[in-house]
Amino acid sequence: AQTVTQSQPEMSVQEAETVTLSCTYDTSESDYYLFWYKQPPSRQMILVIRQEAYKQQNATENRFSVNFQKAAKSFSLKISDSQLGDAAMYFCAYRKSFGNEKLTFGTGTRLTIIP
Amino acid sequence: GAGVSQSPSNKVTEKGKDVELRCDPISGHTALYWYRQSLGQGLEFLIYFQGNSAPDKSGLPSDRFSAERTGGSVSTLTIQRTQQEDSAVYLCASSLTSGGYQETQYFGPGTRLLVL
Repeated sequence: AQTVTQSQPEMSVQEAETVTLSCTYDTSESDYYLFWYKQPPSRQMILVIRQEAYKQQNATENRFSVNFQKAAKSFSLKISDSQLGDAAMYFCAYRKSFGNEKLTFGTGTRLTIIP
Repeated sequence: GAGVSQSPSNKVTEKGKDVELRCDPISGHTALYWYRQSLGQGLEFLIYFQGNSAPDKSGLPSDRFSAERTGGSVSTLTIQRTQQEDSAVYLCASSLTSGGYQETQYFGPGTRLLVL
């Protein structure tokens, strides 16, 4: 079974600084997707970034980028120029590529932005 | 366009009562998922619908939980004889399916259920 581990229950960063959230996963599949979702107090899960395992290039979305290390099964999220609106729970998630597959989530990291 | 919507936003019920939670997916999305998020936990998969196929019920925690999807659109999650451990946020997500590959899941705002 696939598992996703987020070892940092809480993180904090000064506004405008850079922070990295860690995620590791375990799978025997060779093709899969990895995601970072953000959940603010409103409860809405918002997709931050997505990475296809077959792509070697790390995904980037504006201030958000990932460091995908397939051999190490590591998928960290870097947030640059942190903003107050980035404060939220961040969840790492895994899904097989093909077929009717659910997302498997980590337990989340609560990110606090210090003004 | 409109996102995934869920109702009610919050639900308080008494132990032993039945509850129904509703999810309205994004128009055109053929895949629909229900997840449960207990306090301080990640999301736990409950059930999955894909078009007219039989649903994947492998995540339902007990036979008190059931779900249906009518007309390939709106879905209802029903919890019978609610227990205090059912208290959680119930999230619905939908996605497109193209050529057997599923696209990104988009989530609704969830229903917070409190069982007294």
